[in-house]
Amino acid sequence: GNSVTQMEGPVTLSEEAFLTINCTYTATGYPSLFWYVQYPGEGLQLLLKATKADDKGSNKGFEATYRKETTSFHLEKGSVQVSDSAVYFCALTNTGGFKTIFGAGTRLFVKA
Amino acid sequence: SQTIHQWPATLVQPVGSPLSLECTVEGTSNPNLYWYRQAAGRGLQLLFYSVGIGQISSEVPQNLSASRPQDRQFILSSKKLLLSDSGFYLCAWGLGTFGRADTQYFGPGTRLTVL
Repeated sequence: GNSVTQMEGPVTLSEEAFLTINCTYTATGYPSLFWYVQYPGEGLQLLLKATKADDKGSNKGFEATYRKETTSFHLEKGSVQVSDSAVYFCALTNTGGFKTIFGAGTRLFVKA
Repeated sequence: SQTIHQWPATLVQPVGSPLSLECTVEGTSNPNLYWYRQAAGRGLQLLFYSVGIGQISSEVPQNLSASRPQDRQFILSSKKLLLSDSGFYLCAWGLGTFGRADTQYFGPGTRLTVL
């Protein structure tokens, strides 16, 4: 079946540090991959997505590349800010249904 | 543009009382609709989803139910709340393309505390 595994948090970084949050997936065929972000007390919102192998999604300085050979979609940002403190969810969708499979979420704390 | 509304924003209910949470979407037609629950510090648990009026798929057997009386309205209900029903309830909508779900758009959530 389809599943998503992401690194456990929390991740604590200082402002301007480099961020990587690992995400790997299990799926048949060619899933679409997503990163969502949840700020405190709010719903989730799409951060970026990629729909085919080698695509790079990017938004607000965040990037992730769809790597089919390693079944990964790691989230990166070159210089984090305090305002990036949130929970980040990796997710996938696949043919055969209209559900989104979410990872467990990774909480990021950025210190000034 | 599309918007999604959820209410109430917060709710405190006694054990054994009924529940009704409402979600409405504006600006799109025939969306797929979803109810999730998020326990404190935990991930998302899909409770129900619907691909059309009157069509409800249940993911978790429990004392909750869902209904979709109109195309863009999704209601989560319970006849008798349990302590374990406490959590952050999120409604979401999305469109399907090529037989799969696309981006999901989430509402602001309802924080439910059962005492």
